[in-house]
Amino acid sequence: QVQLQESGPGLVKPSQTLSLTCTVSGGSISSGGYYWSWIRQHPGKGLEWIGYIYYSGSTYYNPSLKSRVTISVDTSKNQFSLKLSSVTAADTAVYYCARGTAAFDYWGQGTLVTVSS
Amino acid sequence: QSALTQPASVSGSPGQSITISCTGTSSDVGGYNYVSWYQQHPGKAPKLMIYDVSNRPSGVSNRFSGSKSGNTASLTISGLQAEDEADYYCSSYTSSSTLVFGTGTKVTVL
Repeated sequence: QVQLQESGPGLVKPSQTLSLTCTVSGGSISSGGYYWSWIRQHPGKGLEWIGYIYYSGSTYYNPSLKSRVTISVDTSKNQFSLKLSSVTAADTAVYYCARGTAAFDYWGQGTLVTVSS
Repeated sequence: QSALTQPASVSGSPGQSITISCTGTSSDVGGYNYVSWYQQHPGKAPKLMIYDVSNRPSGVSNRFSGSKSGNTASLTISGLQAEDEADYYCSSYTSSSTLVFGTGTKVTVL
């Protein structure tokens, strides 16, 4: 059973960089066949796809966030990470990591990141 | 990319059937058979209910079914049950190799 777990600071100051890591267990990122994704949900709002990465490092990003987003992978640790720069209060959200490209079959529990001074 | 359009809310009585629509464009919903549906209960992570328009993952009730016509996909829940009360989101792969979610639909069981 594949499991994903997000980790990182729950509070980030405006203009700083939000950094989160997703640790995958029960399956290997480097086995291929899946992209690994980041998705967020603003409080009380809908889901927003941020981007995904393949084990090879190939990435695709949401055009609306592309200038501020970097997703990377560390296959030796079976982890992938999200960096979102120049954050504002509008980036306050629950951030999820998930497995998949066109369909996300495994999700982390989500982590709330608040942007505030 | 613009969010796919879903009705804000749909309601039904126990035992009834309801259908949620998800409207996109020829660059997403209409162009690919890569539409998925998710169920989300409050405070929980979304759960995949339908993938590739009409396929159910193992363990998902056969009361849930999906279809697509043109640029609009649909999720039908038959034999509505109290536990089906949740938010539902569609998603679609796009021509830019990205993914877009729907606006979300709150399902209420009367």
